[in-house]
Amino acid sequence: QKEVEQDPGPLSVPEGAIVSLNCTYSNSAFQYFMWYRQYSRKGPELLMYTYSSGNKEDGRFTAQVDKSSKYISLFIRDSQPSDSATYLCAMSAQGGSEKLVFGKGTKLTVNP
Amino acid sequence: ETGVTQTPRHLVMGMTNKKSLKCEQHLGHNAMYWYKQSAKKPLELMFVYNFKEQTENNSVPSRFSPECPNSSHLFLHLHTLQPEDSALYLCASSQPPSNTEAFFGQGTRLTVV
Repeated sequence: QKEVEQDPGPLSVPEGAIVSLNCTYSNSAFQYFMWYRQYSRKGPELLMYTYSSGNKEDGRFTAQVDKSSKYISLFIRDSQPSDSATYLCAMSAQGGSEKLVFGKGTKLTVNP
Repeated sequence: ETGVTQTPRHLVMGMTNKKSLKCEQHLGHNAMYWYKQSAKKPLELMFVYNFKEQTENNSVPSRFSPECPNSSHLFLHLHTLQPEDSALYLCASSQPPSNTEAFFGQGTRLTVV
């Protein structure tokens, strides 16, 4: 079993839809969970950062971590065409960027 | 812009060539990284430098040779590469000790022919 599993999609939704992106993981030691957004021909940029279980909200974005199920989610409300990008989940046990394990990324297209 | 600049943006090289990728960060960070991003694969960490010292080499073949002359600059020297080395090579930086957020450059798209 891979350490981090993420459906690569692609995922296509209409503008205004609620988008749900997910990752599962196998390493119970992971405590730091991140979502990166990568636009075409750009490097990844950090979108959300969560420690341990629970929810975190930032504008239209909500990150959820369920450590008991080893499952993390990113919700995007009122999705916009500018949200079209690849979303990468990443996680680590020790919190440092050098220990991050990434998912493959899910390519999202929001259609106007 | 993220404050991390990579050059060149695109590179095509033959298997017998020698080339170098360059990364420069203007964020005052003391940790720098090389990642490889291949199609349909997760981002793979290659090398980590903390305060100019290499602290991680993730079982990378010796045809990839990193160099970190100072905290702002990172190079990846390439020689006798294989076609399967074609990928997007990303540089990132962060600030120890927390290293919470890594800032990525735009990457160098490398094609080995």
